[in-house]
Amino acid sequence: GESVGLHLPTLSVQEGDNSIINCAYSNSASDYFIWYKQESGKGPQFIIDIRSNMDKRQGQRVTVLLNKTVKHLSLQIAATQPGDSAVYFCAESLLNTPLVFGKGTRLSVIA
Amino acid sequence: DSGVTQTPKHLITATGQRVTLRCSPRSGDLSVYWYQQSLDQGLQFLIQYYNGEERAKGNILERFSAQQFPDLHSELNLSSLELGDSALYFCASSVNPTGTGETQYFGAGTRLSVL
Repeated sequence: GESVGLHLPTLSVQEGDNSIINCAYSNSASDYFIWYKQESGKGPQFIIDIRSNMDKRQGQRVTVLLNKTVKHLSLQIAATQPGDSAVYFCAESLLNTPLVFGKGTRLSVIA
Repeated sequence: DSGVTQTPKHLITATGQRVTLRCSPRSGDLSVYWYQQSLDQGLQFLIQYYNGEERAKGNILERFSAQQFPDLHSELNLSSLELGDSALYFCASSVNPTGTGETQYFGAGTRLSVL
């Protein structure tokens, strides 16, 4: 069945470094992927999304890479800042099915 | 601010009780989704409504029910509450009915504590 998982539950990076958060998905038919950021006490906030017909998509300081061969999704954050500290969730979906979320990776930025 | 409003922010109640969580979607959004998030867990999809009709169902217990009203706000009803129902409950909204291939915008959540 569909499932989304994250390789690492926690990630600590130095301020200014780049962060890479990984996500594995199991359903090769999933056609839409999205990353959310959740700060403490807040709801998930949209970061970036990508469709299965793309390999890479860039936003402001963030890049999502999709490797359909190995069913892997990653979120790259450039020049990580203290405000990036949060839990990051990836989610996948297949046409006509709701988003399936992973358990999340906690990113801690060390000043 | 996502534009999705959830009330109340916090709810403390006892086992066996019934509570109602409310959600107002973003202006123009017709789909509403409910999720449950337990401590350090991911978001578990509960149910989706589109323009007043149930669209998709996830891992929602029979003790839980939801509805979407003509003004598009939604309510999630939780009854016969158990300790394990303590969690964050999020509402999200989107424009289209499928819930896929488009962004869902989340509210700030309701924290339910069952004592």
